[in-house]
Amino acid sequence: QSALTQPASVSGSPGQSITISCTGTSSDVGSYNLVSWYQQHPGKAPKLMIYEGSKRPSGVSNRFSGSKSGNTASLTISGLQAEDEADYYCCSYAGSSTLAFGGGTKLTVL
Amino acid sequence: EVQLLESGGGLVQPGGSLRLSCAASGFTFSSYAMSWVRQAPGKGLEWVSAISGSGGSTYYADSVKGRFTISRDNSKNTLYLQMNSLRAEDTAVYYCAKAFSPRGLGGEGMDVWGQGTTVTVSS
Repeated sequence: QSALTQPASVSGSPGQSITISCTGTSSDVGSYNLVSWYQQHPGKAPKLMIYEGSKRPSGVSNRFSGSKSGNTASLTISGLQAEDEADYYCCSYAGSSTLAFGGGTKLTVL
Repeated sequence: EVQLLESGGGLVQPGGSLRLSCAASGFTFSSYAMSWVRQAPGKGLEWVSAISGSGGSTYYADSVKGRFTISRDNSKNTLYLQMNSLRAEDTAVYYCAKAFSPRGLGGEGMDVWGQGTTVTVSS
């Protein structure tokens, strides 16, 4: 069970778009359309932002979108806002009924 | 309101045991798989264990296999994590989380999370 690879940090100015990558292998991200993304503010519980790779739960802004190509999933946030500043984690089904998280990406809104 | 509330965390010596509980409300508890996810101080999220809605199937990360046991009591809408042979590296905030889909394990997404309970393993 290996962790998925995310950039440690990304940044952008208000109104811009950013993309966070999540790289796995053919045994996890590449084999299943079961990738989810979570937003976590300091001291708070994670919040589901994207499920099944590209779907948004009710109540999540359409500024958040997810996609996948090969072994890499991506989260794109458009129209950056100050409240988007947080840590973001990807998670994938990893086979054998196990899950794997990425190491997390700290988003800074400049 | 859909809610999860963890309890049972605390300070325990290396080699000791602790049982965490997660009380669920606002949804049909027995219809959904549940997971425990932990976060060590200043670190990222780590999936620990999952259990099917019926409780008949359980799954573990290699890091806790053989030491932790996940279980649930659907009559009490409560999820448990029995932690034995605790190590310093088990120190973390432990979250319980609900699978998004009744058919899923949580890999599709986990849409409800508790506030977390802190476990500290130290002498």
